Amino acid sequence: GESVGLHLPTLSVQEGDNSIINCAYSNSASDYFIWYKQESGKGPQFIIDIRSNMDKRQGQRVTVLLNKTVKHLSLQIAATQPGDSAVYFCAEKYEIIFGKGTRLHILP
Amino acid sequence: DAGVIQSPRHEVTEMGQEVTLRCKPISGHNSLFWYRQTMMRGLELLIYFNNNVPIDDSGMPEDRFSAKMPNASFSTLKIQPSEPRDSAVYFCASSLPRAGGRNEQFFGPGTRLTVL
Repeated sequence: GESVGLHLPTLSVQEGDNSIINCAYSNSASDYFIWYKQESGKGPQFIIDIRSNMDKRQGQRVTVLLNKTVKHLSLQIAATQPGDSAVYFCAEKYEIIFGKGTRLHILP
Repeated sequence: DAGVIQSPRHEVTEMGQEVTLRCKPISGHNSLFWYRQTMMRGLELLIYFNNNVPIDDSGMPEDRFSAKMPNASFSTLKIQPSEPRDSAVYFCASSLPRAGGRNEQFFGPGTRLTVL
């Protein structure tokens, strides 16, 4: 598949540990955020979203935290599995900015 | 639903040739996006359409790039003439924004373009 982002920031995590991926945004008016996961050779896929009237939202094994004061998002993945290996992007609804993302690498 | 369909999946062409990438969005979606992804620049938005009308094309790199959406079920991204630096994976995505609901984009599998 496509090798994406050799220059991406990379997070290496032991299988079974928790992962935290961070993202900063610039538009203080942004009111909706999405995390996407991109596996090798595929397009990005939706993981979880959050609106600005919330500071936390949980899904299955994933939690997104939003800190509007410092314009910061984080994605937490519990009990990281080999299938979580991918590039993760955060996106804002209006600016649709993806950037380079963060590569999550799972150590056996 | 088959999801977003892109063709071709792979394209190899020579510098100076015209390249046309095609996209069929998910039926019923009213927003369509074209992205380019490279190792150096990541995922970049080129242009997006809402109800077949181009809303923001500020990401289109230069006049060699053009995009059309003649109807709700088809869009093209054309590069003429192509250059080696256009080599990238081009993604098409579609969405149906809902007030108060999920506004995710559904991505196609991408077209890997190589310009020699």
